[in-house]
Amino acid sequence: AQTVTQSQPEMSVQEAETVTLSCTYDTSESDYYLFWYKQPPSRQMILVIRQEAYKQQNATENRFSVNFQKAAKSFSLKISDSQLGDAAMYFCAYKRGQGNLIFGKGTKLSVKP
Amino acid sequence: GAVVSQHPSRVICKSGTSVKIECRSLDFQATTMFWYRQFPKQSLMLMATSNEGSKATYEQGVEKDKFLINHASLTLSTLTVTSAHPEDSSFYICSARDQQGALNIQYFGAGTRLSVL
Repeated sequence: AQTVTQSQPEMSVQEAETVTLSCTYDTSESDYYLFWYKQPPSRQMILVIRQEAYKQQNATENRFSVNFQKAAKSFSLKISDSQLGDAAMYFCAYKRGQGNLIFGKGTKLSVKP
Repeated sequence: GAVVSQHPSRVICKSGTSVKIECRSLDFQATTMFWYRQFPKQSLMLMATSNEGSKATYEQGVEKDKFLINHASLTLSTLTVTSAHPEDSSFYICSARDQQGALNIQYFGAGTRLSVL
């Protein structure tokens, strides 16, 4: 069965600095999708970034980028120039084809002013 | 991005009553919708997968007679918590998959906080 592991329950970053959130996953599939979702205090789940496994190029969305290492089954999220609004729970998720999302346990990110 | 509307955002009810939660995809058709439950400081736990026009598929340990799911149209799925009890108090989140999108992305509603007295 596929599993997603986020080994950092909590992380903290200074405003304007860079932080990296870790995620590893376990799968025997070769074609799948990976996602990072953000859940702020409002509890609304927001898609931050996505990556198709067949693409070697790392996805980027403005200040957010990923380091996708397929062989190592690693999918870390880098947030550059951190802002106070980035404070939230971040969930890494895996999905294969038409299947449902499998979430990690989440990392709580705090941003210090 | 696509919008998923979930209603109500908060409900308080007496033990033994039933509560219905609606999930609508506002600007796309969703053949498949998902219902999650989230306990405090924990991740999302998938309860069931709802397919338009057919019976929902429930995850192991989720009582289908307790959590009734109806997905009667391509834009609406409902979750009814029947005879709610205090242990059903939780945060429930729906998600709809955009079938037309290139990556089959799931978009989430804002969630419903259920408190059973």
